[in-house]
This record gives sequence, C-alpha cells and structure tokens, in this order.
Amino acid sequence: DQQVKQNSPSLSVQEGRISILNCDYTNSMFDYFLWYKKYPAEGPTFLISISSIKDKNEDGRFTVFLNKSAKHLSLHIVPSQPGDSAVYFCAASRGSNYKLTFGKGTLLTVNP
Amino acid sequence: DGGITQSPKYLFRKEGQNVTLSCEQNLNHDAMYWYRQDPGQGLRLIYYSQIVNDFQKGDIAEGYSVSREKKESFPLTVTSAQKNPTAFYLCASGLHNEQFFGPGTRLTVL
Repeated sequence: DQQVKQNSPSLSVQEGRISILNCDYTNSMFDYFLWYKKYPAEGPTFLISISSIKDKNEDGRFTVFLNKSAKHLSLHIVPSQPGDSAVYFCAASRGSNYKLTFGKGTLLTVNP
Repeated sequence: DGGITQSPKYLFRKEGQNVTLSCEQNLNHDAMYWYRQDPGQGLRLIYYSQIVNDFQKGDIAEGYSVSREKKESFPLTVTSAQKNPTAFYLCASGLHNEQFFGPGTRLTVL
C-alpha cells in the first residue's frame, strides 16, 4: 500500500520555464512534508519542507504548495535550470515519529 | 566538516556472506536511519534508531541487523538471509522531521 505517490515517473522542461512536480498522499495523519533532490549514485539532499498548518512555503526558486483537502502537494521550480535535472522525491511524516515515507520519485530533465 | 560518511562507496560480496556497511555522523543528531533504494523505487526504511542503544525495525527489516552503541555510528549488517541484497544503501541522520543523507554504498552480491 503506497501511502505517498508520485504518479509521473519523468518530466521534461525547457530551461527558464516552470517545473511542477506533483505528489499525492493517502494517510491523513501525515502532518509534515518534504522534497528531496537526488543525483545518480549520491544521497538525496533536502530541498524544502512544509508543515500541515501552512499551505505554501517558498525558498528562492523553490515553492511547495500543500492542499490538505485534496491530499496533494506540489513543488514549483521557477525558473528551471539545467542543474535542476535530477530525481525529486516527495516524503511525508506524522507527529513526533519522524519516520519518513517516500514516493518513488520523478526524474526531472531541464533542457538547455 | 559536519556531515554523514558511508564507507565504502562500492562493495562486492559473494552470495552467502554477511557484510557490514558503515555509517558515521558528526552532526550530533540523536536519530539515525538506514534505507534501501532499488531501480524505479523510492527509499524504503530498513531500520532506525532514535537514541543510543535503541533501534526499531522499518518496513523491510528482514535479513538485516543493526547496532547503535555510539551516537555517531549506526552500522548495518546485510546477512545471508536477505534474499535480494544487491541495492544502493543510504544512511541518514535526523533532527526532528528533517533527515540528512550520506553519499550511499552500492552493494553488489555476486
């Protein structure tokens, strides 16, 4: 039973345009969400997070939106750069447990 | 430099042998985690430890064992009971909800 789903295995975007990566979850107890970026053969690096008490969080070119009623979150990257090409993982946790449940990832390719 | 180190980067073992993967952190985090990544899959939790001398099974603990004798160290042993041990193994340490990952170890069992 996959509690965190990233339904698009891949996404291709032109440099300078917006990249939108989507994530859906089924467990309504999740209250904290994170996005990680991963290059091949490396560990994931933390990008941005959002608590369930917010609906938006911004950090530079990265913005995460949370729609609790739809159990959906998205990561917007504006403007997209070739160096953003990587696999992006959505993750969720609940309460003070701090265990993360990950989606399967979306491969983003930004074309020059 | 503060961070998480995993060694070695690549590891080859013969089928039937136990192998231990190293994970060390100097971030002073209480919590540490082991994940496994397979092609086309997300990260799946093997074991985690929220404090020294205590650890819990994750979603796919069968065939693995861990110890947490020091705050800085959380080694993972892949035993011969693990049916599909070839994978990319990632260690992380955490502060509240945020986890920080090491560079990973690619284990190949021949």
